[in-house]
Amino acid sequence: AQSVTQPDIHITVSEGASLELRCNYSYGATPYLFWYVQSPGQGLQLLLKYFSGDTLVQGIKGFEAEFKRSQSSFNLRKPSVHWSDAAEYFCAVAPYNNNDMRFGAGTRLTVKP
Amino acid sequence: DGGITQSPKYLFRKEGQNVTLSCEQNLNHDAMYWYRQDPGQGLRLIYYSQIVNDFQKGDIAEGYSVSREKKESFPLTVTSAQKNPTAFYLCASSIRLRLAGGWGNEQFFGPGTRLTVL
Repeated sequence: AQSVTQPDIHITVSEGASLELRCNYSYGATPYLFWYVQSPGQGLQLLLKYFSGDTLVQGIKGFEAEFKRSQSSFNLRKPSVHWSDAAEYFCAVAPYNNNDMRFGAGTRLTVKP
Repeated sequence: DGGITQSPKYLFRKEGQNVTLSCEQNLNHDAMYWYRQDPGQGLRLIYYSQIVNDFQKGDIAEGYSVSREKKESFPLTVTSAQKNPTAFYLCASSIRLRLAGGWGNEQFFGPGTRLTVL
């Protein structure tokens, strides 16, 4: 079955520290990959996406993600976290030629002063 | 400004009542979606529509209904048949992108409506 897994429900990091949020997927073929961020009570905002080409993609707010086909992973990273990054982060995948999009359960990020 | 609007932001309903959530987009997107979000469960697809006057059930369509009479609008009705309707509801629309290997879509989200059943 197709699935998206975010292994970490909640992560706490200190402001200025580096961040990595994990995402693994199970699909028949390499899907399109996305990371979204959600502030409390708000909609989702697209951080970055991967369709093809360079496996390291840059997004907004200083985030980047790396696609690793061998590990079926698309982990999100940021070198130095700011307090305003505290939010919930969702990994999503979508197959080729299809409107379907599947979301992980989300990882809630807390940033300590 | 182009975007997706959902109204109202907060909605309260008594048990046994139907309620309709509004979703409007001015992005000229063909496809629109409704998701339900519960804590710890991510987003689950309720219904989607790829074109006017056509829509398909998602994973959790029971107790919900939709219509798509205009490209810009995709209202969701939560009926009294929905057993546990209290949740955060998100509407999205998508643009189809022509890509190497076929096509894909990128979804844009509205701000959401929080529905509480009293």
